[in-house]
Amino acid sequence: DSGVTQTPKHLITATGQRVTLRCSPRSGDLSVYWYQQSLDQGLQFLIQYYNGEERAKGNILERFSAQQFPDLHSELNLSSLELGDSALYFCASSVVKGSENTEAFFGQGTRLTVV
Amino acid sequence: KNEVEQSPQNLTAQEGEFITINCSYSVGISALHWLQQHPGGGIVSLFMLSSGKKKHGRLIATINIQEKHSSLHITASHPRDSAVYICAVTGGSNYKLTFGKGTLLTVNP
Repeated sequence: DSGVTQTPKHLITATGQRVTLRCSPRSGDLSVYWYQQSLDQGLQFLIQYYNGEERAKGNILERFSAQQFPDLHSELNLSSLELGDSALYFCASSVVKGSENTEAFFGQGTRLTVV
Repeated sequence: KNEVEQSPQNLTAQEGEFITINCSYSVGISALHWLQQHPGGGIVSLFMLSSGKKKHGRLIATINIQEKHSSLHITASHPRDSAVYICAVTGGSNYKLTFGKGTLLTVNP
């Protein structure tokens, strides 16, 4: 158990809908990362939050947004869903102090299927 | 060209064999990570290293910063080692991971 909790584990929804994925980081970890894993693209970085603020942005579509709340949990919102958004969405957390590299711990992922 | 290249893409071995998976990267990095993903999908961090060598049980990871190359070795492989092994790097002040496409390892009994 990595200590990172993602809910739900599975999600099936229709095109055009909106969903929210939730991530609770490990206790003490200030940084949360969201990654998308699709069959054709592999794992790709979406966005990072650190202590409530957006820190880095990757290949995240405008239809997607995220936030990190004061209790450090994070939500990834996906809207106007398309078939191509079907993927595994992972959350990871790490401590991240200054320039020190720290290990990232991954949640079990949310499998999103858009039908 | 991907920033992180892994080889081989697929690897099949017999139980007990010594396994090597390679990772090359083209950018400056501050750390390299080896991750394991089982068929169920969950990702586990195996190693994070920025120089030298690390060992954990039957797993050994090495990195050569000058050559921009890392290897993951598995000694006395076992069917439970069957998984996708993913190399990822972080660079500079950007803590995001950039991933290789993974190596699918199958260890047959």
